[in-house]
Amino acid sequence: KAGVTQTPRYLIKTRGQQVTLSCSPISGHRSVSWYQQTPGQGLQFLFEYFSETQRNKGNFPGRFSGRQFSNSRSEMNVSTLELGDSALYLCASSLDRASLTGELFFGEGSRLTVL
Amino acid sequence: AQSVTQLGSHVSVSEGALVLLRCNYSSSVPPYLFWYVQYPNQGLQLLLKYTSAATLVKGINGFEAEFKKSETSFHLTKPSAHMSDAAEYFCAVSASGNTPLVFGKGTRLSVIA
Repeated sequence: KAGVTQTPRYLIKTRGQQVTLSCSPISGHRSVSWYQQTPGQGLQFLFEYFSETQRNKGNFPGRFSGRQFSNSRSEMNVSTLELGDSALYLCASSLDRASLTGELFFGEGSRLTVL
Repeated sequence: AQSVTQLGSHVSVSEGALVLLRCNYSSSVPPYLFWYVQYPNQGLQLLLKYTSAATLVKGINGFEAEFKKSETSFHLTKPSAHMSDAAEYFCAVSASGNTPLVFGKGTRLSVIA
């Protein structure tokens, strides 16, 4: 069974640009969560989608957005990039809502560097 | 709102020694608690979870954790460390079915030969 796939794995952008990250969950999983991981802040919750609906949103500015498609694949977008957006962006999927099952299956992440 | 505090950003133990990673939580309701592990250049993997069935929870790779409500703690232990246990460990809490998992800032475990 294929795991959670995130693309691209690495990318470099400059300030002011935008970026789109993609996540394909495990087959059959309907919930996708996104986290930002940085050395100083650890994992911070961005958003959770379940059956194409955003169920929860973290405390991030509106530059961060996401969506989920009917096949459960998800994308997140960051516009007007800032240096502080450099981080590892982790996607996790679960069969049901993440907070009910607790077991999140994580991808290897997309490492974004903003210059 | 729930939160998690992991004491010690870095713990170093000798191979064969006891591993103890500390986690204290704050939650207004009985929580669900989890430990995840992250190996270098990989995503996080669930080690174990507490969902009120038993206070002592056994996980993969010989790890276990004990839920102590009076101390609001959920410390992770392993009797004998292996070199392969070197990784970053995250404690996480969820207070209800509608709230996302909140992670601690992580504890990096080093194992010395």
